[in-house]
Amino acid sequence: EVELVESGGTLVQSGGSLRLSCAASEFTLGNYWMTWVRQAPGKGLAWVGTIKQDGSETYYVDSVKDRFTISRDNAKNSLYLQMNSLRAEDTALYYCARARQGSDVFDYWGQGTLVTVSS
Amino acid sequence: DIQMTQSPSTVSASEGDRVTITCRASQSIRSWLAWYQQKPGKAPKLLIYKASSLESGVPSRFSGSGSGTEFTLTISSLQPDDFATYYCQQYNSYPITFGQGTRLEIK
Repeated sequence: EVELVESGGTLVQSGGSLRLSCAASEFTLGNYWMTWVRQAPGKGLAWVGTIKQDGSETYYVDSVKDRFTISRDNAKNSLYLQMNSLRAEDTALYYCARARQGSDVFDYWGQGTLVTVSS
Repeated sequence: DIQMTQSPSTVSASEGDRVTITCRASQSIRSWLAWYQQKPGKAPKLLIYKASSLESGVPSRFSGSGSGTEFTLTISSLQPDDFATYYCQQYNSYPITFGQGTRLEIK
């Protein structure tokens, strides 16, 4: 069974940095585009960014551009989200999700990791 | 950016009811629309993709329709397990955007 497990979420001060990880199992990570989606407490889903299979292309929502970086290590079956200059509005549950081949439909999701930014 | 607007924000219904949720896009997204179900404390689950294609393993009481800017998700006969929040998502272009969600609650 495909599994995605996020880790790294914690309480961090405003202006700080954090790196989230997503460990993939039971599928070959390098064959899929991967995505981070976040959900602020009590709010809806918000796309953060997406990375191509080989890491050569990345796309981000404007609000995180120049602050967040998505990367991957296919040999380690791992996806990462480096978050810098964190703001209170970045407080959310962060999910990694697999994009179905050939589209940006997210067919498998992790359970999420919580990032809390204190001001 | 393409804005996705769902209506209603909340719907109250009973087991066995037929329920329809609407999602409107601020510009044409052709058929590049997905629907997800999310239960409290859980990750979203893919239900429908390409506007009307049912994800494997999803009960046939769920169906999707529409193209261009207007889409619907219909649940033909509500079951207890269906009370959840539903989101539409466009994947026509970046940035990918979601609707604000529709909470389906028990009447």
